[in-house]
Amino acid sequence: SQKIEQNSEALNIQEGKTATLTCNYTNYSPAYLQWYRQDPGRGPVFLLLIRENEKEKRKERLKVTFDTTLKQSLFHITASQPADSATYLCALNPRGYSTLTFGKGTMLLVSP
Amino acid sequence: GAGVSQSPSNKVTEKGKDVELRCDPISGHTALYWYRQSLGQGLEFLIYFQGNSAPDKSGLPSDRFSAERTGGSVSTLTIQRTQQEDSAVYLCASSFSIVRGNEQYFGPGTRLTVT
Repeated sequence: SQKIEQNSEALNIQEGKTATLTCNYTNYSPAYLQWYRQDPGRGPVFLLLIRENEKEKRKERLKVTFDTTLKQSLFHITASQPADSATYLCALNPRGYSTLTFGKGTMLLVSP
Repeated sequence: GAGVSQSPSNKVTEKGKDVELRCDPISGHTALYWYRQSLGQGLEFLIYFQGNSAPDKSGLPSDRFSAERTGGSVSTLTIQRTQQEDSAVYLCASSFSIVRGNEQYFGPGTRLTVT
């Protein structure tokens, strides 16, 4: 069956460190992969999109990698800040489909 | 400009009643999506619209759920004869088009509680 797996345990890190979140998928061939941030009581907010032919994408302190052989995406936040504390969702655009399928998300807690 | 808006923000209803949830997308966005998020669960896709048509209704959990979009803008999601398992946050999103790779812009959601 198709699965998108994100670590269900919260990731706790200290301010200034790099946070790395993982998204693994099975039985998908995504053309695109997106990362969203969700704060409590709010809708998700788009962060980054990476295409299947791209290995890496950067935006300010954010970096996303996409390995279609390993079927994995890594999401990095460098120089993390307490304001980065949120749940981060990965979402796939499977090949041939225009809608997104979301993972359950990983909560990131950055302590001062 | 204005983002995606949803109303009401909270809705408490008795089991068996019908509810209507409203979504007002970003102006100019032709694609509109409905999702459901239950506690501890991921976003569950319900339905999407391209313009006023809904090519894919496969995500609707039962025939008690229906949605429409008029004028290529506002959409309503209707749940008939609500059940307790319908309690969740219902999120609406819009995107510039349905072309793959378009980021989605989400509203704040409607929290539905069925008692």
